Parts: sequence; structure tokens; C-alpha cells
Amino acid sequence: DQQVKQNSPSLSVQEGRISILNCDYTNSMFDYFLWYKKYPAEGPTFLISISSIKDKNEDGRFTVFLNKSAKHLSLHIVPSQPGDSAVYFCAARGSGTYKYIFGTGTRLKVLA
Amino acid sequence: DAMVIQNPRYQVTQFGKPVTLSCSQTLNHNVMYWYQQKSSQAPKLLFHYYDKDFNNEADTPDNFQSRRPNTSFCFLDIRSPGLGDAAMYLCATSRLGADTQYFGPGTRLTVL
Repeated sequence: DQQVKQNSPSLSVQEGRISILNCDYTNSMFDYFLWYKKYPAEGPTFLISISSIKDKNEDGRFTVFLNKSAKHLSLHIVPSQPGDSAVYFCAARGSGTYKYIFGTGTRLKVLA
Repeated sequence: DAMVIQNPRYQVTQFGKPVTLSCSQTLNHNVMYWYQQKSSQAPKLLFHYYDKDFNNEADTPDNFQSRRPNTSFCFLDIRSPGLGDAAMYLCATSRLGADTQYFGPGTRLTVL
């Protein structure tokens, strides 16, 4: 049973446009969410996080939105750059635990 | 730079031949994790340590063992690797009370 789902395996966006990556979860007890970026042959790198008490968090070109009622979060990258081309994972943590459940990832390709 | 280091980066073993993967960290983090990631799948948590307190996931095969002799080092032992154990193995750390995990570059295991 996949508790964290990234339904789009891949996404292509033109340079300078907005990239929107989506993530859905099923467990209402998740209280903290992370986005990671992963380049080939490297480990995932932390990008941005959001707590369940917020609905938005911004860091430069990256914004994460959380819709708790829909159990949905999204990562917006504006403007997209070719260096953003990577696999993006969302991860969710259960309340009071150290454990994260990961989605299957979305491969973003930003076209120059 | 403080970091999470995994050795070796690539490991080839034979079916049934025990193998040990290594992870070290200079971050002085309390919590260390081992994940297994197969192609196009989500990283799957195998186990984690909070200091020396070992926490095994219920669905982690008995074939997988782990040791954490000190804060800095953690080992993953696969006692009798099968073809299905071929995967990327990711080590991660986090500070107790913090929300972000830091990943190493991973070890890609091939089983012949």
C-alpha cells in the first residue's frame, strides 16, 4: 500500500516557466513533509520542507503548498532552470516518529 | 565539509556470498537510516538507529542485518544476497529533534 504517491513519473518544462510537481498521501497522521532532489549517481539532497501546521513555505525559487483536506502537496519551481533537471521525491513523516515514507519520484526535465 | 560517506560506491557480489556496505558520517547525528531503492521505486526504509537503539521495519527480510559500533559508523550486512537484493542502498542521518535527513551518495549493489 503506497502511502505517498507521485503519480507523474516525468515532467518536461521550458526554461523560465513554472514547474509544478505533485504528491498525494493517504495517512492523515503525517505531520511533516520534505522534498528532495536527486541527480544521477548521487544521494537525494534536501530541498524544502513544510509542517502540517502551515499551508505554504517558500525558499527562493521553490515553494511548497500543503492542502491537508485534500492530502495533497505540490512543489512549485519558478523560474525553472536547466540545472533543476533531476528526480524529485516527496517524503512524509508520521507524527512522533523518525521515519519517512517516500514517493516514487518525478523526473523533471527543463528544456533550454 | 560535514557529510555522509558510503563505501564502496559500487559493489558486485555473487549469489549467496555475504556482503557488507559501510556508512560513516561527520555530522554527529543521533539517528542513522538504511534505505533500499530499486529502479523507479521509492526508497524503502530497512531500519534505523536512534543512537544504539535499533529499529527494524516489520517487512525487512531477516537476510538484512545492521551494526552501529559508534556514532559515526553504520554497516549493512546482507548475509546471503539474492538476485532480488540488487538495488541502490542509501544511508541517511538526522539530528534528534530535527526534521531533515541527510543522505550519502549510495552504494549500488549488483548480485551475479
